[in-house]
Amino acid sequence: QVTLKESGPALVKPTETLTLTCTFSGFSLNTRGMRVIWIRQPPGKALEWLARIDWDDDKFYSTSLKARLTISKDTSKNQVVLTMTNMDPVDTATYFCARIKIIGSWSVDAFDFWGQGTVVTVSS
Amino acid sequence: QSALTQPASVSGSPGQSITISCTGTSRDVGSYDLVSWYQHHPGKAPKLMIYETSQRPSGVSNRFSASKSGNTASLTISGLQAEDEADYYCCSYAGSNSYVFGTGTTVTVL
Repeated sequence: QVTLKESGPALVKPTETLTLTCTFSGFSLNTRGMRVIWIRQPPGKALEWLARIDWDDDKFYSTSLKARLTISKDTSKNQVVLTMTNMDPVDTATYFCARIKIIGSWSVDAFDFWGQGTVVTVSS
Repeated sequence: QSALTQPASVSGSPGQSITISCTGTSRDVGSYDLVSWYQHHPGKAPKLMIYETSQRPSGVSNRFSASKSGNTASLTISGLQAEDEADYYCCSYAGSNSYVFGTGTTVTVL
């Protein structure tokens, strides 16, 4: 059974750095083709992809947020960590992590299992 | 990248069919058969309904179908049921290991 769960602070101050952890089970990020992605949804707005990390430690970032994001993995703990620097009130959102669906070792670039999300509010 | 365009809301009566459109560009929807659709009940984890433009994952009702023409993808829900009431989002691979989501559509069952 595949599960993912996001954790992190519910409230951060402007200019602070946000650190979110995605703890997963039911699969391994050591498996060829496996990938995990972070996505966020500001209140009342659309989903936005943020970053992706692959089984081979390749990392990819949203162009608009690349300068502020870092994604990493700890395969021994089954965790993916996202840090976002210089937080601003516009970064207030629900943050999700999700697994990218693979067939064999081939990614189909769709997200088949998601966490329930963690709400992050940026306010002084 | 700009978000893919979806209608803000679509409604239908039980048993009817509805279609949600998802319009992108030649750089995303038009270039790849990698459009996916998600059902989201607020407060819950989004659920994958369609991948690779028209493929249904195991366990998803065959009342959900999808297709693409040019830069526009579409999701059709047939035999609309009360449980289908949710937000729906499309997503497309946009090249260079990037993704773009749609603006979201609220489906209301009248």
